[in-house]
Amino acid sequence: DGGITQSPKYLFRKEGQNVTLSCEQNLNHDAMYWYRQDPGQGLRLIYYSQIVNDFQKGDIAEGYSVSREKKESFPLTVTSAQKNPTAFYLCASSRQGASSGANVLTFGAGSRLTVL
Amino acid sequence: QKEVEQDPGPLSVPEGAIVSLNCTYSNSAFQYFMWYRQYSRKGPELLMYTYSSGNKEDGRFTAQVDKSSKYISLFIRDSQPSDSATYLCAMSHRRGSNYQLIWGAGTKLIIKP
Repeated sequence: DGGITQSPKYLFRKEGQNVTLSCEQNLNHDAMYWYRQDPGQGLRLIYYSQIVNDFQKGDIAEGYSVSREKKESFPLTVTSAQKNPTAFYLCASSRQGASSGANVLTFGAGSRLTVL
Repeated sequence: QKEVEQDPGPLSVPEGAIVSLNCTYSNSAFQYFMWYRQYSRKGPELLMYTYSSGNKEDGRFTAQVDKSSKYISLFIRDSQPSDSATYLCAMSHRRGSNYQLIWGAGTKLIIKP
């Protein structure tokens, strides 16, 4: 079955540690995205990538980093510079990309990061 | 003021009722309007999307856009317990060469058997 796999599902880390969230898709989509979801707020875009070896900052990129070395993979690193990293992180992909208004996103099941 | 406002709920209704979920927005440049459903501890999944004003129907679901009032709605007929989820609205407008997608915070819906 085609889809997006995020791992780990739950992650606990101490303050000051970097952590990397994995996102893999087998949908053959060109565009991939990372969102953060917090209670009472809409999804906020962290980074997105429309092609391999290229990515763009979203609205809240500070304290995060990404890479896009393969079409299928778009890992997110939450660095120690992120002031409030505890959140639910969602990875998504799309066929059309951000240049299309009808950009339908397919999401993974999410990774919940808790920083102690 | 948020660009997209959505009542967080929870909205609790009996099985079989008609449900109305709504979002208001402030930016008249929004052109595409979407509804996603998110079950607990899962990622959102697309239910429907519409372009500009008007209605769109898909089975028990109807999406309605009123651009003059800056208001969109999702109606669910014959609601089922399996419809219990959080419903997110999202809308996009052109920003430079790309489209920017803005999300509502979601409305939690509970269908009581």
